[in-house]
Amino acid sequence: SQTIHQWPATLVQPVGSPLSLECTVEGTSNPNLYWYRQAAGRGLQLLFYSVGIGQISSEVPQNLSASRPQDRQFILSSKKLLLSDSGFYLCAWNRVALAGGRNEQFFGPGTRLTVL
Amino acid sequence: GDSVTQMEGPVTLSEEAFLTINCTYTATGYPSLFWYVQYPGEGLQLLLKATKADDKGSNKGFEATYRKETTSFHLEKGSVQVSDSAVYFCALDNTGFQKLVFGTGTRLLVSP
Repeated sequence: SQTIHQWPATLVQPVGSPLSLECTVEGTSNPNLYWYRQAAGRGLQLLFYSVGIGQISSEVPQNLSASRPQDRQFILSSKKLLLSDSGFYLCAWNRVALAGGRNEQFFGPGTRLTVL
Repeated sequence: GDSVTQMEGPVTLSEEAFLTINCTYTATGYPSLFWYVQYPGEGLQLLLKATKADDKGSNKGFEATYRKETTSFHLEKGSVQVSDSAVYFCALDNTGFQKLVFGTGTRLLVSP
């Protein structure tokens, strides 16, 4: 069965410090990978989307970047965190099903980031 | 751009009560619509979906009908249980690549 891991679960960082959040998927190959963020009082917002190694699509202008060094690894980074980067970060994967099959997205447990 | 609006929570109900959580959307074309649920201590998981107008998605006693004329996808359940307590997220995909646009989520609390 497929499993998605995220770490760390919680993180408190000072403004201006770097960030690295990691997401790995087990039990599948060539997944589509996603990073979402939920800021306080807002819905989940898609940040990055990847269809393969080294292929990253940025969905909104921001202070963050993403990389996909391996097929099942997705990393979210920042060189200098801002207060506005605080939020709940979710990694997700999906594999487009064959016709008539199930096409759904599977989410990791999330990382709660607080920037002080 | 595309957006999803959900009713504010928390929604507090007694067991066996009828549940409605409202969801409306703004999007061009014909997006796919989803309800995701997050139980305490767990990750988001797909509850149900609908891909075209008048489709009804259903799962675990929950239902939602894709209403193009009112741009709505309200979640309903005839008789809620304590185990239904969770946060419910309405979402849409207007790209075909599962680039989901989410609402803010509605927390449901069911008491015995």
